[in-house]
Amino acid sequence: NAGVTQTPKFQVLKTGQSMTLQCAQDMNHEYMSWYRQDPGMGLRLIHYSVGAGITDQGEVPNGYNVSRSTTEDFPLRLLSAAPSQTSVYFCASSYGATTLPGNTIYFGEGSWLTVV
Amino acid sequence: SQKIEQNSEALNIQEGKTATLTCNYTNYSPAYLQWYRQDPGRGPVFLLLIRENEKEKRKERLKVTFDTTLKQSLFHITASQPADSATYLCAGTGGQNFVFGPGTRLSVLP
Repeated sequence: NAGVTQTPKFQVLKTGQSMTLQCAQDMNHEYMSWYRQDPGMGLRLIHYSVGAGITDQGEVPNGYNVSRSTTEDFPLRLLSAAPSQTSVYFCASSYGATTLPGNTIYFGEGSWLTVV
Repeated sequence: SQKIEQNSEALNIQEGKTATLTCNYTNYSPAYLQWYRQDPGRGPVFLLLIRENEKEKRKERLKVTFDTTLKQSLFHITASQPADSATYLCAGTGGQNFVFGPGTRLSVLP
């Protein structure tokens, strides 16, 4: 049972560099999302997707880009890393959007990103 | 904006006691609330869900309440154990997405 798999686990970037955080799920979930978690602020939604080919912005999308070419994969791209993007990133998936009763979110193990 | 608030201070309790964590929501009415457990260095894991028309939900030693008048959910762990030490997150539905609180760190002391 792989669930939601994120890579890399840890990454150090220099300011201005770009990188991609990978995310894959094997539960055939339509809904996938990326969150960042910062101390005292909880999980904040960056981008989400309700299905292959469909993406939308969350609460804090600036500086990030996503695409959803398959149901399984939802990579997050940092276009030009900034120190403010130092955070823990979580990929998540669920059967559908939150309007479906009983829906729960499955999270990956997180990616620790430091931008120096 | 839609907001979920949790007591950001850590909660320390003695083993065997009941831990009670609070979740308050403002500026909206979530259709249901969820509680997640997060261990250090790990992703959150779903624990319980309660709908707005349910007053109380139980699962083993866990109990969740939903008070739409107070705009509050309480999360109880009875007969707490050191293994219950973790951060507990409250999340509410908000449009197509969830709104998460900052979490409360619980430490159960032996």
